[in-house]
Amino acid sequence: GAGVSQTPSNKVTEKGKYVELRCDPISGHTALYWYRQSLGQGPEFLIYFQGTGAADDSGLPNDRFFAVRPEGSVSTLKIQRTERGDSAVYLCASSPGQGSGYTFGSGTRLTVV
Amino acid sequence: AQKITQTQPGMFVQEKEAVTLDCTYDTSDPSYGLFWYKQPSSGEMIFLIYQGSYDQQNATEGRYSLNFQKARKSANLVISASQLGDSAMYFCAMREHSGSARQLTFGSGTQLTVLP
Repeated sequence: GAGVSQTPSNKVTEKGKYVELRCDPISGHTALYWYRQSLGQGPEFLIYFQGTGAADDSGLPNDRFFAVRPEGSVSTLKIQRTERGDSAVYLCASSPGQGSGYTFGSGTRLTVV
Repeated sequence: AQKITQTQPGMFVQEKEAVTLDCTYDTSDPSYGLFWYKQPSSGEMIFLIYQGSYDQQNATEGRYSLNFQKARKSANLVISASQLGDSAMYFCAMREHSGSARQLTFGSGTQLTVLP
């Protein structure tokens, strides 16, 4: 596709459950970023991939959060034992190279009940 | 300390008038970039304009211009001839070039409402 695709667009889960959020970047974009946007706030950095490897995961809030990008394209953000405080919009962005020309997806709205 | 500060949670402007959205930043990195994004209610982040720290001229993109005052560490967005479709959340963001990830750091945003 022409843009960054994120699925699902909405996810409601029960506290304690495991969720996976998917990001399909623009073809050929080597850099991929995950951000989390809480209500009324700006996005906050979670993790950055360059190719297949997580080059910087300093923004992940704790070890319940994990992300992979096994083939250097699609990425999955995984959240274990979800908590109500995890409710937010999770945004993915890709760029052709490190820190250049970011394109954002429309996000996944996660609600933990 | 906040790296990006947007002090206007909400702004109103009359259609066809100009509006300035404020942004100040804090960094010790000599090389950095400043961005403005628009986020409509649909949620996607739309890139508007970019200013590099070494750029001599203020950036302009159509109706958008960036009033860059490096000594004051401010990067205000000016929207000329506002349109109803400009109603959205606006975020200022910074990318510091010293880090490996070069991720964006965002402010808390300004909700702009354009009145008919």
